[in-house]
Amino acid sequence: DTAVSQTPKYLVTQMGNDKSIKCEQNLGHDTMYWYKQDSKKFLKIMFSYNNKELIINETVPNRFSPKSPDKAHLNLHINSLELGDSAVYFCASSPLDEETQYFGPGTRLLVL
Amino acid sequence: AQTVTQSQPEMSVQEAETVTLSCTYDTSESDYYLFWYKQPPSRQMILVIRQEAYKQQNATENRFSVNFQKAAKSFSLKISDSQLGDAAMYFCAYSWGGGADGLTFGKGTHLIIQP
Repeated sequence: DTAVSQTPKYLVTQMGNDKSIKCEQNLGHDTMYWYKQDSKKFLKIMFSYNNKELIINETVPNRFSPKSPDKAHLNLHINSLELGDSAVYFCASSPLDEETQYFGPGTRLLVL
Repeated sequence: AQTVTQSQPEMSVQEAETVTLSCTYDTSESDYYLFWYKQPPSRQMILVIRQEAYKQQNATENRFSVNFQKAAKSFSLKISDSQLGDAAMYFCAYSWGGGADGLTFGKGTHLIIQP
């Protein structure tokens, strides 16, 4: 059984397009996150949600909008894609009273 | 702001030998959590080991152990009896435990296992 899943795994698109990445966790966790891993492998938190409420919103362009329809899902919508958005995006989740985060397989986004 | 520093961009070790990966961090918090994550070429982020700052005992998980020095703000990972499957990027990460807190990652150490 997949604990944290992301779709799609690969996404190739043109500059200026709008795209979404979906994330689902079946662990019953209350908190979900989005991270960006750049070409140098550096991982940085973008957003965190606790029970569908936005908790952390790091300095991310407002072209990025997370949406949490329910506790098990946290989707990432990106408008007007730019070349610099090319990266691997990871979704993660954690239980309410535990700091360990469990990661999805990542989505490699390539903007041409 | 918290920072995590991994000073070794790349390390190489012979199969079956022991290797230690370094990590230092900076924080003003007294209670926090530290982690080592492994990222193999498959890019999946895999938790290797975690340490709660309030615990003095160093965490161990099979061949993996940490040397946690709270006063020095140091958190190194020791891998014993290195195996080919240990080849990966290793990331040190920090969380202050405030709830829904994102992990602050180091830049990673690329571990090469020589057969």
